[in-house]
Amino acid sequence: EIVLTQSPGTLSLSPGERATLSCRTSQRISSSYFAWYQQKPGQAPRLLIYGASNRATDIPVRFSGSGSGTDFTLTISRLEPEDFAVYYCQQYGSSSLTFGGGTKVEIK
Amino acid sequence: EVQLVESGGGLVQPGRSLRLSCTASGFTFGDYAMSWVRQAPGKGLEWVGFIRSKAYGGTTEYAASVKGRFTISRDDSKSIAYLQMNSLKTEDTAVYYCTRASAGGYFDYWGQGTLVTVSS
Repeated sequence: EIVLTQSPGTLSLSPGERATLSCRTSQRISSSYFAWYQQKPGQAPRLLIYGASNRATDIPVRFSGSGSGTDFTLTISRLEPEDFAVYYCQQYGSSSLTFGGGTKVEIK
Repeated sequence: EVQLVESGGGLVQPGRSLRLSCTASGFTFGDYAMSWVRQAPGKGLEWVGFIRSKAYGGTTEYAASVKGRFTISRDDSKSIAYLQMNSLKTEDTAVYYCTRASAGGYFDYWGQGTLVTVSS
C-alpha cells in the first residue's frame, strides 16, 4: 500500500498570506492519479485539484497544485477567510486508493 | 446538477449487518465507477472500495480493512450503488460517503454522508 504523508499537520496563517501544503508518497506515482481535497467542518470533502495540477470545476485560481514522483504541493496564493479548512491529498494506483492524514489550515 | 444521496445508516450492534444505498441523479450513472469513502469521528478520510462501470467489467476493489466483509454492488437501471456491510466492528463506526469516481481515480462528486455507529 502506498502511504501518503502530509506536512505540516497544522498550518497557522493569516488571511492574505500564502499557504504551502506538502504531500509525500512512499513510492513514485503517476501525476495523473493524484488529487487534493478541501473539507470544512460538517461538510463532505470537495475536489480541488486532480492530475496533480488541474483545478476542478469552479475552483478559484488562487489554488494551484504541482509536483511529480513522490513530492506534491498544494499552494493557496492568498488565503481567503473561506479557505481555512482541512486539506487531504489522495492517490490511485494498482487498484488501490489512499489518502494522506490531512493538513489543517487555521487562522493565526 | 449531479446529486448523490446516501441512506441506510444508523446504530447497529457488533457482528451484525447493514446495507447503505447511494441514489444518484444528474448524470449517466452507468458510465461511471462509484466508490465509498468513510471518515471515523474526528479522523481523516479512508477509502473503502469502488465498483467499476459495466464497460470496465463492473468489477470491485476494496481496502484491506474491509475486504471479505463489505461488498459494493450497483443497479444501473435505478442509478443506485450499494454498500453491504457484514460482520461489523466498532472500528467501522464512521460517516460513509458515496462518491463518483473518475477514470483518473479521483472523486469529483460526494454525497452528504450517512453515519454508521457500531456499538452494543
